[in-house]
Amino acid sequence: EDQVTQSPEALRLQEGESSSLNCSYTVSGLRGLFWYRQDPGKGPEFLFTLYSAGEEKEKERLKATLTKKESFLHITAPKPEDSATYLCAVLPYGGATNKLIFGTGTLLAVQP
Amino acid sequence: SQTIHQWPATLVQPVGSPLSLECTVEGTSNPNLYWYRQAAGRGLQLLFYSVGIGQISSEVPQNLSASRPQDRQFILSSKKLLLSDSGFYLCAWSGGTSGFTDTQYFGPGTRLTVL
Repeated sequence: EDQVTQSPEALRLQEGESSSLNCSYTVSGLRGLFWYRQDPGKGPEFLFTLYSAGEEKEKERLKATLTKKESFLHITAPKPEDSATYLCAVLPYGGATNKLIFGTGTLLAVQP
Repeated sequence: SQTIHQWPATLVQPVGSPLSLECTVEGTSNPNLYWYRQAAGRGLQLLFYSVGIGQISSEVPQNLSASRPQDRQFILSSKKLLLSDSGFYLCAWSGGTSGFTDTQYFGPGTRLTVL
């Protein structure tokens, strides 16, 4: 069964304290892995798509990396405005729908 | 650029009442459209998927239904709401004129509370 597990469930950082969020996945064949940011009461905002092991993508203080079993979202020198829930999702090969399999997210709080 | 709208933003409904949530996409044609539900402490769950007008695939059997009467309009409905239907409903789109169907872009969501 296709599955996505994110850790930790919650993370509290001081402003400027770098860290990483983990997304482990089990899928028969990976078509793509996606990272989203979700603010309270809002829809997820697309951040990155990764397709193959070794691929990296960056956006401001965020960098996403991918291996054959997991992905990391590295946050460098975070600011309070980076506080949000970060969601990871995988898109398996096959199937009749573009069904994303989501993890339950990591709630990040950055304190000034 | 593409924009996705959902309404209403919030809704409080009694058990047994009907439901209609609407989603529209602007700035693209023939997108793939999706309805997800997000329950507290759980990941997003795909409910329905559509590749074109009148074409609906259901992922989870339940008392909800979906329709796509126009190219860029997606509607989620129920004849009789259950308490378990409470949650945050998200519409998403992918593909369209860009032709790239993998990345899904989400709307602002509708918070539904069934009492």
